Amino acid sequence: GAGVSQTPSNKVTEKGKYVELRCDPISGHTALYWYRQSLGQGPEFLIYFQGTGAADDSGLPNDRFFAVRPEGSVSTLKIQRTERGDSAVYLCASSRDPRDTQYFGPGTRLTVL
Amino acid sequence: QKEVEQDPGPLSVPEGAIVSLNCTYSNSAFQYFMWYRQYSRKGPELLMYTYSSGNKEDGRFTAQVDKSSKYISLFIRDSQPSDSATYLCAMSAGTGANNLFFGTGTRLTVIP
Repeated sequence: GAGVSQTPSNKVTEKGKYVELRCDPISGHTALYWYRQSLGQGPEFLIYFQGTGAADDSGLPNDRFFAVRPEGSVSTLKIQRTERGDSAVYLCASSRDPRDTQYFGPGTRLTVL
Repeated sequence: QKEVEQDPGPLSVPEGAIVSLNCTYSNSAFQYFMWYRQYSRKGPELLMYTYSSGNKEDGRFTAQVDKSSKYISLFIRDSQPSDSATYLCAMSAGTGANNLFFGTGTRLTVIP
């Protein structure tokens, strides 16, 4: 079956620009997570959705980062006024319910020049 | 101090060797323990999932959790070149707090 998909696979932008990263979870998965993975590091939690609502956004680094999941399926991570330090791979994961295994997508590699 | 510590390696072993990977953690609330495998430029892929202390075996892979020592391990028997990847340990507290805390990852190379 189809896994978690993320688009684009690569995104290059200039400092100060706005970017949107998209995640399509596995069909029927109610829980959706965003993580950020810097080079040589493990993924770090950003935000968790249960259905349409953000149940935990404690990992978002600052108010330039925002995520939505308006219909409880696809989610978009939005980054305003990008900085070079935002360069990383942004991973999305979904699970059937909050206590179930998380399945990861391939990630979006964001490069801020 | 990070909540999850993992030796980043790199680790190189000959084909057929037994590989031992491990992580330590500081948060006693962690109850769910996972090992993910990540190939270059790919997302993490779940290998093993364990609840609380004990051992779990799946083919050539064995996961061990010792909650009293806050120490988890992954053993790979008869390692193959296709096992070459980065191995990430991950853990969570479970109910209500479902975000995963990851180690840095250990980069493993199995030499034919």
